[in-house]
Amino acid sequence: SAVISQKPSRDICQRGTSLTIQCQVDSQVTMMFWYRQQPGQSLTLIATANQGSEATYESGFVIDKFPISRPNLTFSTLTVSNMSPEDSSIYLCSVGVRSYEQYFGPGTRLTVT
Amino acid sequence: DQQVKQNSPSLSVQEGRISILNCDYTNSMFDYFLWYKKYPAEGPTFLISISSIKDKNEDGRFTVFLNKSAKHLSLHIVPSQPGDSAVYFCAAHSNAGNNRKLIWGLGTSLAVNP
Repeated sequence: SAVISQKPSRDICQRGTSLTIQCQVDSQVTMMFWYRQQPGQSLTLIATANQGSEATYESGFVIDKFPISRPNLTFSTLTVSNMSPEDSSIYLCSVGVRSYEQYFGPGTRLTVT
Repeated sequence: DQQVKQNSPSLSVQEGRISILNCDYTNSMFDYFLWYKKYPAEGPTFLISISSIKDKNEDGRFTVFLNKSAKHLSLHIVPSQPGDSAVYFCAAHSNAGNNRKLIWGLGTSLAVNP
């Protein structure tokens, strides 16, 4: 397994601003993932972030709205840009272990007012 | 269209009894299935997985059964403990087009009563 931390753990932001969420892993991993969990919903994959390549975004998510950086094998950031109340959600990063298992960080609870 | 379905949003069980959580899927190309547990204000925690070529995997109190012909899997927790109270997610691993990702169900909230 891997130990994953996220910053911030929670934030309240104003409409139109941007927030960058950091994800740090205690070991080197190839695959990192960013998810969103809206209230009462399941986990929705935003994008897969592999080091050394552009992030791969899922249908419905675009780089302009959710830019991702992956500068090395232990760190990634997700930015939520030009926020609206609909972006209020829990944002989770995870890392891929073996070919199919994923381990998750504690999440960032974002409220947009 | 949801490819992974957990049709029971909640389940209540007495301590010491068996908890059975169910999951159905539609895509026969999924190669692994996983169960995660999630407490409020925490990220999901990996519990147990099963390969699509197996029909059972056991780890302590947790057993996952896979019925490929019915496209159905279940998680059995025996005996259930109050600390097992959490939301349980079923997830299926897809490797379509070399794009590896997990497809998630909506979750089942389990309450284990003392």
